[in-house]
Amino acid sequence: GAGVSQTPSNKVTEKGKYVELRCDPISGHTALYWYRQSLGQGPEFLIYFQGTGAADDSGLPNDRFFAVRPEGSVSTLKIQRTERGDSAVYLCASSSGQGAYDEQFFGPGTRLTVL
Amino acid sequence: GDSVTQMEGPVTLSEEAFLTINCTYTATGYPSLFWYVQYPGEGLQLLLKATKADDKGSNKGFEATYRKETTSFHLEKGSVQVSDSAVYFCALKPGAGSYQLTFGKGTKLSVIP
Repeated sequence: GAGVSQTPSNKVTEKGKYVELRCDPISGHTALYWYRQSLGQGPEFLIYFQGTGAADDSGLPNDRFFAVRPEGSVSTLKIQRTERGDSAVYLCASSSGQGAYDEQFFGPGTRLTVL
Repeated sequence: GDSVTQMEGPVTLSEEAFLTINCTYTATGYPSLFWYVQYPGEGLQLLLKATKADDKGSNKGFEATYRKETTSFHLEKGSVQVSDSAVYFCALKPGAGSYQLTFGKGTKLSVIP
């Protein structure tokens, strides 16, 4: 079946602009995660959804970052007043949300460049 | 807080050479441990995992053993192939029912014919 998809694959924007990044999880997966991967680093956790609600947003770096998942499926990560330091690959993952060790399946990522 | 340290790359090996990528971790409690792989142009994929001490995860000829006494989870493969060229990430989840993965920085492996 289809895996996790993310759009766009690349996004170039100017400092101060607003951007939205979209994630389509695997059908039926109730858990959804956003991570950020800076150059030369491993992915860092941003936020976790179980269903429609953000169960843990402790990884969001500041209040310019916000994410929603209104119908419990597609999620959008929103970044306001972008800064050059926001440039990174934003990864989305989903899992069944059941069982102690359910596997997270990752999408290909969105590469965000802030000029 | 929890952290993962893995050996710096890049690593370049000849085909059929033995591979070891070191990974050590710091965590409270009893984390689950993972190796993820990222092939060029593709997303992260789970390679193998171990959920308790002394467990051995294995897949595609790769192995890693969860060593609680040394807080390590080193990745090994007896004979690498060109197709193994990728970036490898060690990661942990704090405990059963937890969800947040903590990753190392990644190790880029290049295998030359």
